[in-house]
Amino acid sequence: EPEVTQTPSHQVTQMGQEVILRCVPISNHLYFYWYRQILGQKVEFLVSFYNNEISEKSEIFDDQFSVERPDGSNFTLKIRSTKLEDSAMYFCASGPGTGLSGNTIYFGEGSWLTVV
Amino acid sequence: AQSVTQLGSHVSVSEGALVLLRCNYSSSVPPYLFWYVQYPNQGLQLLLKYTSAATLVKGINGFEAEFKKSETSFHLTKPSAHMSDAAEYFCAVSGGSQGNLIFGKGTKLSVKP
Repeated sequence: EPEVTQTPSHQVTQMGQEVILRCVPISNHLYFYWYRQILGQKVEFLVSFYNNEISEKSEIFDDQFSVERPDGSNFTLKIRSTKLEDSAMYFCASGPGTGLSGNTIYFGEGSWLTVV
Repeated sequence: AQSVTQLGSHVSVSEGALVLLRCNYSSSVPPYLFWYVQYPNQGLQLLLKYTSAATLVKGINGFEAEFKKSETSFHLTKPSAHMSDAAEYFCAVSGGSQGNLIFGKGTKLSVKP
């Protein structure tokens, strides 16, 4: 069964450093997402991406964050100048359509980011 | 705006007992509702979803959920808990202009032998 894959599974970085989290969505999907889950808290929406541009973003997704689909298969989340509070599990997800149409959004296993 | 509320951050049941995890939603439009499960150190896996076809939805691993519009609820049930069901369960509703999912805070299910 096709799946969303994410790398790295765990990254430790120093505060102020840039981090890139990588994702390979399911190949025929059109919508891509990043979510994050701070330890012990709910899963929060960060950004959605469609047709090579951001379609929606939450207030969490500020100028520190950016997303890119550089080569038609990878979908990356870049965090510039990481802060301690960026420590979280970051989930990539993809879907054939939007959740508004009842389509399933499929999640990767997550990238655990620890900022020290 | 859409939202979900999961009652009970932690539910503990004995093996073989009924599992009931509660979810109430708020939505200004007919909702699409989802239950996801997160096993320890793993990602989110879809258990089941409601997309306005049948109000009783059957999912994987023996779970099912019933959509009750009058109660704005979408509770998750399983007749007989198994040790392998121990995980965190998230209710979610589709929201936003692009249908991104809005999650509840999650309910951690423990199963005692």
